[in-house]
Amino acid sequence: DIVMTQGALPNPVPSGESASITCQSSKSLLHSNGKTYLNWYLQRPGQSPQLLIYWMSTRASGVSDRFSGSGSGTDFTLKISSVEAEDVGVYYCQQFLEYPFTFGSGTKLEIK
Amino acid sequence: QVQLKESGPGLVQPSQTLSLTCTVSGFSLTSNSVHWVRQPPGKGLEWVGAIWSGGSTDYNSALKSRLSISRDTSKSQVFLKMNSLQTEDTAIYFCTRFWVWGQGVMVTVSS
Repeated sequence: DIVMTQGALPNPVPSGESASITCQSSKSLLHSNGKTYLNWYLQRPGQSPQLLIYWMSTRASGVSDRFSGSGSGTDFTLKISSVEAEDVGVYYCQQFLEYPFTFGSGTKLEIK
Repeated sequence: QVQLKESGPGLVQPSQTLSLTCTVSGFSLTSNSVHWVRQPPGKGLEWVGAIWSGGSTDYNSALKSRLSISRDTSKSQVFLKMNSLQTEDTAIYFCTRFWVWGQGVMVTVSS
């Protein structure tokens, strides 16, 4: 199975500051079609996960442009510029290149 | 509007079989896949399995021997069946297309 490893945040993050969440995969997620098979989600407290980013860097419909995704084949970053109270929750990366579609362990964001 | 909604028993006894239903609307199961993801209390997300538009399935290898996913396209429903349940199977079970998720159903395995 592909292992997804996420980094931690130096919580709490001051409101208005930027935050970057890292994710590393044990195998390259770059397909021969040129697409990178990585999603980012936010799970707010008590809610279902919400897709933020797919194909490593494409924002999902309705997602604020404060969220951006970048990376290479194995190292990825989700950047949140100017964090707000509504960004609080746990962020997950997920690979969907191979079964099982594994998730990272999650990164918690708290706001000061 | 695309929606998914899970339903099923909240409590299952150890060694028994779990049966969950995902009722979808706003899209056709013959053209789209549906996945199941679970989340133990206070823990992260685990992909359980999927049923594809053609009806084929893929399962998490750790659960494959106990798991079955099927569907009834006429009723727009996807079914998850997992046997030999253990306390470690206690979790919120979501059905999802990743860009849209159901609300989840909490399943507790306890006698």
